[in-house]
Amino acid sequence: GAGVSQSPSNKVTEKGKDVELRCDPISGHTALYWYRQSLGQGLEFLIYFQGNSAPDKSGLPSDRFSAERTGGSVSTLTIQRTQQEDSAVYLCASSNRGRDTQYFGPGTRLTVL
Amino acid sequence: RKEVEQDPGPFNVPEGATVAFNCTYSNSASQSFFWYRQDCRKEPKLLMSVYSSGNEDGRFTAQLNRASQYISLLIRDSKLSDSATYLCVVVTNAGKSTFGDGTTLTVKP
Repeated sequence: GAGVSQSPSNKVTEKGKDVELRCDPISGHTALYWYRQSLGQGLEFLIYFQGNSAPDKSGLPSDRFSAERTGGSVSTLTIQRTQQEDSAVYLCASSNRGRDTQYFGPGTRLTVL
Repeated sequence: RKEVEQDPGPFNVPEGATVAFNCTYSNSASQSFFWYRQDCRKEPKLLMSVYSSGNEDGRFTAQLNRASQYISLLIRDSKLSDSATYLCVVVTNAGKSTFGDGTTLTVKP
């Protein structure tokens, strides 16, 4: 079956612009995670959606970052007024439910000039 | 102190060697534990789940010690293809997921 997909695969933007990153989870998975990975670093948790529960936003680094999950499926991560330090790979993962195996998408490589 | 800590390595071992990685976690509410493998510029992929009773998959053995709050991964008879970064993951009952920063393994001929 189809895995997790993310778009775009690469995004180059200018400092101060807004960007939207999209994640399509595996069909039927109720849990969805966003992570950020800077070059040579580990995965930094950003936000977690589980079913209809309020999302866990504890990892969002600033109020410039927000995420939505519409209809319990597709999710969009929005970064407003991008900064150079936002440059990283943004990874999305989904799981059948929280605490289960997470399956990752290929990531979106964001470069802020 | 980080919630999940791993020795970053790098571990450089010859083919056929046995290598062990440890990972410690601080949140006693953690419920699920996993090892993932990440190749350069790729997304992480599940290597194996970790259970209290320990589990084995071919050359790979994972152990969980809840009392001491650490998990381990043992790789026997290392292959060149095992070269990668190994990430431990700890998930709470509420689904909050924390990754370690990873341990880099290079297996040399």
